[in-house]
Amino acid sequence: DAGITQSPRHKVTETGTPVTLRCHQTENHRYMYWYRQDPGHGLRLIHYSYGVKDTDKGEVSDGYSVSRSKTEDFLLTLESATSSQTSVYFCAISEEGLYGYTFGSGTRLTVV
Amino acid sequence: GENVEQHPSTLSVQEGDSAVIKCTYSDSASNYFPWYKQELGKGPQLIIDIRSNVGEKKDQRIAVTLNKTAKHFSLHITETQPEDSAVYFCAAATSGTYKYIFGTGTRLKVLA
Repeated sequence: DAGITQSPRHKVTETGTPVTLRCHQTENHRYMYWYRQDPGHGLRLIHYSYGVKDTDKGEVSDGYSVSRSKTEDFLLTLESATSSQTSVYFCAISEEGLYGYTFGSGTRLTVV
Repeated sequence: GENVEQHPSTLSVQEGDSAVIKCTYSDSASNYFPWYKQELGKGPQLIIDIRSNVGEKKDQRIAVTLNKTAKHFSLHITETQPEDSAVYFCAAATSGTYKYIFGTGTRLKVLA
C-alpha cells in the first residue's frame, strides 16, 4: 500500500506479555496514526503523531503507548496484552493532517 | 460524544443496479467527510471525499452528497459491478483535529 508497511502481519501472543507493532513509511509524511478495527465499532483511533517525538492520545488509548523517533517509523506498544486487545490494527499516514489518509494492510493480533 | 451512524449494515444489489449508503454525524463542527472501501484482508482505501463547502461530488460511477443542515451524507454507486463488493466506511472529521470518527461499515454485495 503506497509506501506504508506494517509488521508483523499476524501475531499471536499470551496475556500479560508486551507486544510492539511497527509502522514504516517511505512517503516522508508528517502525520501517522494507529487505529484498531473491531466488528460493530468500525475503526477507532488509538494514538497519533504529528511529528518526530510529537504524539497524542486518541479515543481508545488506555493500555497502549507509542513512540516516534524517526519520521518513517511509528511504533505501537501494548505493555501487557489483554484479550480485549485482540483486534486488527491499522496504521495510516497523511501529508496534510486531516486530509487523505493512506492506510497500511493491517496487523491481526490475537491475545490468548 | 462525537458519533457517526451508518446504514445499512449490509446491502445486496443486483449487478447494474444502484447502491446508496447513508451516514449521520453528530458534531456540527465536522467539515470533512471521506469514504473508504475495504476489501477482504486489506486496509481501507479512500474512494471519494467531500468538504463542507460542497453539496455534491462525483467521480465516474461514485458520488457523495452532503446535507449540512440535517447532518447527513450519502454514498451513491451507480451501475454496480461485482468488484464493487466490499465493506464501505464513512467518516467525519473536523479541521484543527487530526482524527476521523468512522461509521461502523456497510457490507455491499453485488450479485451477478
